[in-house]
Amino acid sequence: AQSVAQPEDQVNVAEGNPLTVKCTYSVSGNPYLFWYVQYPNRGLQFLLKYITGDNLVKGSYGFEAEFNKSQTSFHLKKPSALVSDSALYFCAVAHTGTASKLTFGTGTRLQVTL
Amino acid sequence: GAVVSQHPSRVICKSGTSVKIECRSLDFQATTMFWYRQFPKQSLMLMATSNEGSKATYEQGVEKDKFLINHASLTLSTLTVTSAHPEDSSFYICSARDLLDLQPGYTFGSGTRLTVV
Repeated sequence: AQSVAQPEDQVNVAEGNPLTVKCTYSVSGNPYLFWYVQYPNRGLQFLLKYITGDNLVKGSYGFEAEFNKSQTSFHLKKPSALVSDSALYFCAVAHTGTASKLTFGTGTRLQVTL
Repeated sequence: GAVVSQHPSRVICKSGTSVKIECRSLDFQATTMFWYRQFPKQSLMLMATSNEGSKATYEQGVEKDKFLINHASLTLSTLTVTSAHPEDSSFYICSARDLLDLQPGYTFGSGTRLTVV
């Protein structure tokens, strides 16, 4: 079985400061890892994914994430947070295989204040 | 980029009636679509995986007869909530995988807020 843990329900950051949203995963074999963002009453918007290759993945809106196999982590980062980044962030994992289903973490609410 | 259109975005129905939610891949073909349910302030729970031309695979605990899924073409999957009750009120989201995408990518619809009164 595959699972994702997002240990923080909420992360508070001042605008301009760096942000980190944590994610750890458990899956047999090699994982596909994803980050999505959700705004109120909206679907999920894709931020970035790790499939293979470089451990540092760069995505949309200045976000990036680092795949760490030894720590089974895929933390989301951004060097300088914006108020508009405030939203709900989901980490997800899929087992390598065709049409494999995604398993989501419980989500982390990011609150960026002035 | 890939776009998934989900309709309606919001629906209110009376208890006992049925509601159909559509999920369309607009610019790609999707052999596989996924249906999720999200309760307030909670994560997405996979309900079922639908494959074009075959029966959907439901997750444990999801009632097949209550949540009917049809994936009649490579661009359309529908979820019908039958005999809806207030406890079915939730946010339903679909996602689709591009048939030609060699790397896994999941595009999500904008979601449907179902309220059963």
